Amino acid sequence: GDSVTQMEGPVTLSEEAFLTINCTYTATGYPSLFWYVQYPGEGLQLLLKATKADDKGSNKGFEATYRKETTSFHLEKGSVQVSDSAVYFCALRISNAGKSTFGDGTTLTVKP
Amino acid sequence: DTGVSQDPRHKITKRGQNVTFRCDPISEHNRLYWYRQTLGQGPEFLTYFQNEAQLEKSRLLSDRFSAERPKGSFSTLEIQRTEQGDSAMYLCASSFEGFSDTQYFGPGTRLTVL
Repeated sequence: GDSVTQMEGPVTLSEEAFLTINCTYTATGYPSLFWYVQYPGEGLQLLLKATKADDKGSNKGFEATYRKETTSFHLEKGSVQVSDSAVYFCALRISNAGKSTFGDGTTLTVKP
Repeated sequence: DTGVSQDPRHKITKRGQNVTFRCDPISEHNRLYWYRQTLGQGPEFLTYFQNEAQLEKSRLLSDRFSAERPKGSFSTLEIQRTEQGDSAMYLCASSFEGFSDTQYFGPGTRLTVL
């Protein structure tokens, strides 16, 4: 079946540090890939997405590139802020009609 | 666009009781999804509607769980004879059929079964 594996957390960084959160997937078909963010006390919000190989999704300084050859979709940000502290979820969806499959989430804490 | 709303936000119940949750999707969205999230885990798919038709159900959705979307707008998720293992956050998402079909999530209903 389909699955998503994220690097284990929690991740603690100092403000302005470089962030990488690894995400790899296995899929029975050709998926679209997503990163969602969940701030404390809030619902899941779509952060960025990519629908085909070599696409780069970007938003709010975050980036992720769809790498079909390595089945990966790593999340990066060049300089994190305290306000980026949240739980980040990687997800895939095979068709545009069906369920999303999520990783277990990575908790990021950014200290001033 | 007021986003996906869910009611109630929190529910505490005793084992064996029935509970019902409501989800109101974004108004123009014709697809609606239910997920369950337990602590330290990502959301797990439960079921999905397109308009009023329930098109897919997970094996996680036991006979005690039932979902409806009677007029293709809001949806309800009912859990009968609740068990302590049902304690979780229940998330609703909606999307509009189309090229991107991005799922937008509500804030969730946190269920605690005592």
